[in-house]
Amino acid sequence: DAGITQSPRHKVTETGTPVTLRCHQTENHRYMYWYRQDPGHGLRLIHYSYGVKDTDKGEVSDGYSVSRSKTEDFLLTLESATSSQTSVYFCAISGTTLDEQFFGPGTRLTVL
Amino acid sequence: DAKTTQPTSMDCAEGRAANLPCNHSTISGNEYVYWYRQIHSQGPQYIIHGLKNNETNEMASLIITEDRKSSTLILPHATLRDTAVYYCIVRVAGNDMRFGAGTRLTVKP
Repeated sequence: DAGITQSPRHKVTETGTPVTLRCHQTENHRYMYWYRQDPGHGLRLIHYSYGVKDTDKGEVSDGYSVSRSKTEDFLLTLESATSSQTSVYFCAISGTTLDEQFFGPGTRLTVL
Repeated sequence: DAKTTQPTSMDCAEGRAANLPCNHSTISGNEYVYWYRQIHSQGPQYIIHGLKNNETNEMASLIITEDRKSSTLILPHATLRDTAVYYCIVRVAGNDMRFGAGTRLTVKP
């Protein structure tokens, strides 16, 4: 399995609080992605990164920001969490945009 | 990227081949067909991808019709551990990986 971890694995927080999710890889892959998965919607791309300090928006980026200061780490931040951001968040990595993406184990976030 | 259509669910007997269809009638010449699966609560797992030719790896075979408007993922000897949601995705390299609802495959003893 690709060396990709996510932390925390589970988090419960309250509306209005900031939340940061971390994705860490040991594969030295250039591309990293954040998805969310909700019932009835499948996986949807939030943001992705194509290198250190290089990021771009995905399909559902509103309310989220990301940062990538090192190749191995990609952070997803909810500046002020809302109940609509309750979801399972998956990080993925790939060597190129054509290569397969390897997914992490996911983070289950509940915003009360 | 072209849209895909997959059956909502399918059953397969353990030890038999599982054939999962996918329609992508609007696919363009530079779009690849990818297959992923997601076993309950886990992250999606890459299975196989192809452009025009049929492909085979240790997990599965991918059969793409000559007109490229449909494809079939074949799991040659399904096991109970192959029970999962299978996603067919069509995309151009560099574009988003758009996951639809997929096909829920249940392998039965």
